[in-house]
Amino acid sequence: AQTVTQSQPEMSVQEAETVTLSCTYDTSESDYYLFWYKQPPSRQMILVIRQEAYKQQNATENRFSVNFQKAAKSFSLKISDSQLGDAAMYFCAYRIHYGGSQGNLIFGKGTKLSVKP
Amino acid sequence: DSGVTQTPKHLITATGQRVTLRCSPRSGDLSVYWYQQSLDQGLQFLIQYYNGEERAKGNILERFSAQQFPDLHSELNLSSLELGDSALYFCASSVAPMDGGYTFGSGTRLTVV
Repeated sequence: AQTVTQSQPEMSVQEAETVTLSCTYDTSESDYYLFWYKQPPSRQMILVIRQEAYKQQNATENRFSVNFQKAAKSFSLKISDSQLGDAAMYFCAYRIHYGGSQGNLIFGKGTKLSVKP
Repeated sequence: DSGVTQTPKHLITATGQRVTLRCSPRSGDLSVYWYQQSLDQGLQFLIQYYNGEERAKGNILERFSAQQFPDLHSELNLSSLELGDSALYFCASSVAPMDGGYTFGSGTRLTVV
């Protein structure tokens, strides 16, 4: 069974600094998607960034980028120039790319990010 | 506004009762997913529908059921409620089951007292 592990329950970063959130996953599949979702206090789940496993190039969305290491099954999120609005729970998630009709996400337990002014 | 509408936003009910949570997917999205978020279990996949048909089941209790209607809105029915059912219930939608992106609603906070 696929699992997603986030080993950092809480992280803290100074405003304007850079922080990296860790995620590892376990799967026997070769084709899949990986995601980072943000959940601010408003509790809305917001997609931050996604990565297709077949792509070697790391995904980037403005200040957010990932370090995808397929062999190591690692998928870390780097937030540059951290802003107060980045404070939230961050969830790493996995879903298989093929496999019939199943398209559900498997989530890690989350990392709570605090941003200090 | 994500485009996925969930009602109600908050619900308080007593043990043993039955409630219905409603989800309207984003316009054009055919697939609906239900998730439960609790402090101890994290985000757990419950069930998925695509164009009215059940496609996948996760950790959904037998006391829970769901359906997707012809207009594509979905309802999650929770019955014989227990204190442990208190959680945030999310609905998410996507264009097709294997579409990469999901859009989440803002959730329904269920409190069982």
